[in-house]
Amino acid sequence: NAGVTQTPKFQVLKTGQSMTLQCAQDMNHNSMYWYRQDPGMGLRLIYYSASEGTTDKGEVPNGYNVSRLNKREFSLRLESAAPSQTSVYFCASSGDRDNQPQHFGDGTRLSIL
Amino acid sequence: AQTVTQSQPEMSVQEAETVTLSCTYDTSESDYYLFWYKQPPSRQMILVIRQEAYKQQNATENRFSVNFQKAAKSFSLKISDSQLGDAAMYFCAYRSAKWRNSGGSNYKLTFGKGTLLTVNP
Repeated sequence: NAGVTQTPKFQVLKTGQSMTLQCAQDMNHNSMYWYRQDPGMGLRLIYYSASEGTTDKGEVPNGYNVSRLNKREFSLRLESAAPSQTSVYFCASSGDRDNQPQHFGDGTRLSIL
Repeated sequence: AQTVTQSQPEMSVQEAETVTLSCTYDTSESDYYLFWYKQPPSRQMILVIRQEAYKQQNATENRFSVNFQKAAKSFSLKISDSQLGDAAMYFCAYRSAKWRNSGGSNYKLTFGKGTLLTVNP
C-alpha cells in the first residue's frame, strides 16, 4: 500500500544550493501535483502534470522546475534555494475518473538557511 | 479563479460533542467537487469527505457530514461525537470538474487556509 512516496522526508539546505525532491506513485494515475504548505496559507499549487510528458505552472511556480520522468515519477527541483522556499512540500496524484480525490504523500520538510 | 475561505482559524470542542467547521467558496462554474481533508500532527493529508456539486444530498461518512448549500456557496463540515483523534488541521478544497485538452485529466485542488481543531477531554 505505498500510494505516493516522497523522498526525502527532511532536508536542510544552505542558500544557493540546489536540490531535487522526488515523488513516485504506484496507482497508475495520470495526474500529479506539487504543493507547498506554509503556516496560515494552506496548500498552494506549484506545478502539475496532467499526463506523462506535460507539465504546467500552478499558483506559485517561481524558483522551481519540474520533470515528469515517466508516468510514475514527478520531481521538483530548486535550482538555487532561497530562505523563502522554506516550507513543507507535498506531492499528490489523482486518477482520471471525475470523482476521484487526490492522494498525497507524507510531505518533505525543507529548511533553507 | 476559484477561491476557498475558511473563516475560523481555530476551533475547539469537548470530547463527545458536535462541532461544525465553516467553508465558503467562490466560483462561476456549475459543476465541481468539494472536499474536506484532515491533517493530523503526523502531517499526512487524509480525505475525510467529498461532495459532488450536482448532488443535492449531503454527503456523510460515519461521524462526519456536510451541509452543502450550492446557492450560498457554502460547504460546512459537522463532526459528531468528537474524539481525541479528530484533533487536526482541517482543509476545505475545491476542484473543477472539467477536462483539459492535453490528453489527460487535470483536477487541481484549491485549498482554504485551514481550521485547527482542538478536542478537549
